[in-house]
Amino acid sequence: SQTIHQWPATLVQPVGSPLSLECTVEGTSNPNLYWYRQAAGRGLQLLFYSVGIGQISSEVPQNLSASRPQDRQFILSSKKLLLSDSGFYLCAWSVSEMTDTQYFGPGTRLTVL
Amino acid sequence: SQQGEEDPQALSIQEGENATMNCSYKTSINNLQWYRQNSGRGLVHLILIRSNEREKHSGRLRVTLDTSKKSSSLLITASRAADTASYFCAKGDKNTGNQFYFGTGTSLTVIP
Repeated sequence: SQTIHQWPATLVQPVGSPLSLECTVEGTSNPNLYWYRQAAGRGLQLLFYSVGIGQISSEVPQNLSASRPQDRQFILSSKKLLLSDSGFYLCAWSVSEMTDTQYFGPGTRLTVL
Repeated sequence: SQQGEEDPQALSIQEGENATMNCSYKTSINNLQWYRQNSGRGLVHLILIRSNEREKHSGRLRVTLDTSKKSSSLLITASRAADTASYFCAKGDKNTGNQFYFGTGTSLTVIP
């Protein structure tokens, strides 16, 4: 069966520090991968998605970047965090198209102080 | 905005009662999906209903879709305390380049 992992689960970082969140998927090949951000009490905002290694599409211009160095690995990064980067970050995967069922990881709670 | 809205934003019911949540959207869709999110956790997929379908069931869940009204509803029958969560609808619209939009969610509290 397929599983999706995210780490760390929680992170507290000072403003201006770098960020690296990792997401890995097991049990499937060539998945579509997604990064979402969820502000407190809000819906999900799609940040990035990837249809293959090295292929990244950005949905919202911001202080963040994404990379896909391996088929089942998706990384969310920032060189300098802002207070507004605080939130709950969710990684998800789907078999092929974005409109397919998406399967979510457990999320990372990021607090920027 | 292409994002739809869930209605109500919050719902509180007694255990055993039915809970109904609604989702509206503005553009065309290929499918509409419902997800559940327990506090501080990831989302769990519940049901996918395609644009040519009108109703789907899964256990105590019933989803309807009315494309003429651009709306969908999620009914949870005989609710349990464990159903307490936020429920989101997500709209799949291939016509705008494989777009997938989440609504803002309904927070459901089931009181034991």
